[in-house]
Amino acid sequence: KNEVEQSPQNLTAQEGEFITINCSYSVGISALHWLQQHPGGGIVSLFMLSSGKKKHGRLIATINIQEKHSSLHITASHPRDSAVYICAARRVTSYDKVIFGPGTSLSVIP
Amino acid sequence: ETGVTQTPRHLVMGMTNKKSLKCEQHLGHNAMYWYKQSAKKPLELMFVYSLEERVENNSVPSRFSPECPNSSHLFLHLHTLQPEDSALYLCASSQDWSRELFFGEGSRLTVL
Repeated sequence: KNEVEQSPQNLTAQEGEFITINCSYSVGISALHWLQQHPGGGIVSLFMLSSGKKKHGRLIATINIQEKHSSLHITASHPRDSAVYICAARRVTSYDKVIFGPGTSLSVIP
Repeated sequence: ETGVTQTPRHLVMGMTNKKSLKCEQHLGHNAMYWYKQSAKKPLELMFVYSLEERVENNSVPSRFSPECPNSSHLFLHLHTLQPEDSALYLCASSQDWSRELFFGEGSRLTVL
């Protein structure tokens, strides 16, 4: 069993839909990252959070430390949101190792 | 533009070749990382450098050899690779361990 899991693995949505991607982890963490990877390969950091909720534009990330669960929400989805979304847990070690989830591939159709 | 630049973006090499991947960060960060992303698998940490000192070697074969000559540059030297080493290699940097990661665009490597 992977230490960081994501669901769904693949997601197709119509433009304008509200999207939720889930992440669960089994290790102690100091923070959790949400990353976006476009087809070209480059990765962009969306959020780093250790409690509560963060919002940036149409993106919202929440985390429940007790339940070891985080969600990424996209409101009013757009085709340009099509990408792979990766959850990554920053593990509490001597150098804060980051463990990556398998990613959720999102396709938003016009 | 994330401030982390990787070259080359694409590389095709034979199993007997020697090549290098380069990463440069313009963010003043003190930690740099090499990650490997194979098809259908999560990113795997390969090496971590903090203040130019290697602090993690995640059971990576010796045919991969990292070098960090200063806090802004990171290299991954490749020699006698195998076809299964074909993957996207991503460089990242951060300011201290607990801060946000900034990734480069990646170098897509194909080993024939």
